[in-house]
Amino acid sequence: GAVVSQHPSRVICKSGTSVKIECRSLDFQATTMFWYRQFPKQSLMLMATSNEGSKATYEQGVEKDKFLINHASLTLSTLTVTSAHPEDSSFYICSASTGQGHNQPQHFGDGTRLSIL
Amino acid sequence: DAKTTQPNSMESNEEEPVHLPCNHSTISGTDYIHWYRQLPSQGPEYVIHGLTSNVNNRMASLAIAEDRKSSTLILHRATLRDAAVYYCILRESGTYKYIFGTGTRLKVLA
Repeated sequence: GAVVSQHPSRVICKSGTSVKIECRSLDFQATTMFWYRQFPKQSLMLMATSNEGSKATYEQGVEKDKFLINHASLTLSTLTVTSAHPEDSSFYICSASTGQGHNQPQHFGDGTRLSIL
Repeated sequence: DAKTTQPNSMESNEEEPVHLPCNHSTISGTDYIHWYRQLPSQGPEYVIHGLTSNVNNRMASLAIAEDRKSSTLILHRATLRDAAVYYCILRESGTYKYIFGTGTRLKVLA
C-alpha cells in the first residue's frame, strides 16, 4: 500500500533553533500534502495544505512565516519551524493522498516529535 | 467545516464485536465518510471509507445510515491491538482537507 515517510522521528533542540521536517511519499506521487500538529491528549489540528510547485495554504491562526512549507517535488514536502520556542514543542504529522478525488484516503507518516528546550 | 460527533471513550471485551458511532448531521451530498485510528506516538492509520452504501474490508465494516447523518464503524472481533483512538472524518469536497474531531478512545479488555 501507499507509504508516507517522515524524517526525523524525533528532534530535541535548543530554543531559537530552526528545525526542518521532511515528508516523503515513497511509492506514489502526491501533488498535495498536508501538515498537522497534535498536542498531548488532543486531536490532530490541520496547519496547512502543501501544493507541489505553488505556495502552501495555511489554516487560520497558523503563522506562515513561522512554519515554512516547501513542496519542491511530487514526492517531498518539508516543514521548517523557524526560531522554535518551547511552545512549538508538539507532534507534527504529514499526510499525502494518491489522488485528487475526495474519495481517495490520505496516508499519514508516523510523525515527528519536536521538543524545544 | 463539516463536523462529526463521537463519544469520548468506549470499552469492549476482547473477541467481542465493537460498534463505534459517529454523528455527522451537516454532511453534504458529496462528502465521503472516512475512518482512521491512531495508536500512541504514531500517525493515523486508514481503516475504511464510504459514501452511501455499507462497506466491508479486512479490517472493519462501515454502516452508513440511509439519511447519511450518522455512521457506525464495526470491528467484528476486537483484539488488544485494536485499542486506539478512532476518528470519523468527513473529507471536504473541493479542498480534500480532513478536519479531525475529538475521536473515540477504544479500550479493549482482556
